[in-house]
Amino acid sequence: DAGVIQSPRHEVTEMGQEVTLRCKPISGHDYLFWYRQTMMRGLELLIYFNNNVPIDDSGMPEDRFSAKMPNASFSTLKIQPSEPRDSAVYFCASKDGDTGANVLTFGAGSRLTVL
Amino acid sequence: AQSVAQPEDQVNVAEGNPLTVKCTYSVSGNPYLFWYVQYPNRGLQFLLKYITGDNLVKGSYGFEAEFNKSQTSFHLKKPSALVSDSALYFCAVRDWGTGGFKTIFGAGTRLFVKA
Repeated sequence: DAGVIQSPRHEVTEMGQEVTLRCKPISGHDYLFWYRQTMMRGLELLIYFNNNVPIDDSGMPEDRFSAKMPNASFSTLKIQPSEPRDSAVYFCASKDGDTGANVLTFGAGSRLTVL
Repeated sequence: AQSVAQPEDQVNVAEGNPLTVKCTYSVSGNPYLFWYVQYPNRGLQFLLKYITGDNLVKGSYGFEAEFNKSQTSFHLKKPSALVSDSALYFCAVRDWGTGGFKTIFGAGTRLFVKA
């Protein structure tokens, strides 16, 4: 398996534009998580899915953020409209809920810069 | 509420010397504890975990961690540091308060190993 795949790796956009980040989890993993990493706030959990269903989105900062998982192999995190304070590295992670060990496998991240 | 604390923002150690990266935790259920490492421009990688059993847990790249229930600590250790160990290290705990599917990460400790 190629691991968790995220795209794009880097995104530079202007304030007000829509941003879509993509994630392909490891095949067979039934949990998918979106995290945001900044220097000021560290690693924050935004939302997670189980079997494609959003379970907890309490970490989503505001209505400008939305996430979907239309099938087991694809998820998106969308920011509309984007703001400079959204600049961060966004990570997707997945895990196999059946193992019970709760070990996450992370993607390489998408670095977002909003000008 | 579950939480982890990493009291040191940065740890400096000379190559060949032993290293310790500190972590303390607070959990309301059984402590499932983890260490992850993040190299520059990469996602987090799992190093090791404690769920039950021996208090000394061995993981990847020669790292180990000691679970101490009385001190609620889970310090990461390595007998002989390498320059290539320089990275950002995260301690994490399974969040039983939300059904056990979330992972709470510490703020991270940056390790510098000097040649």
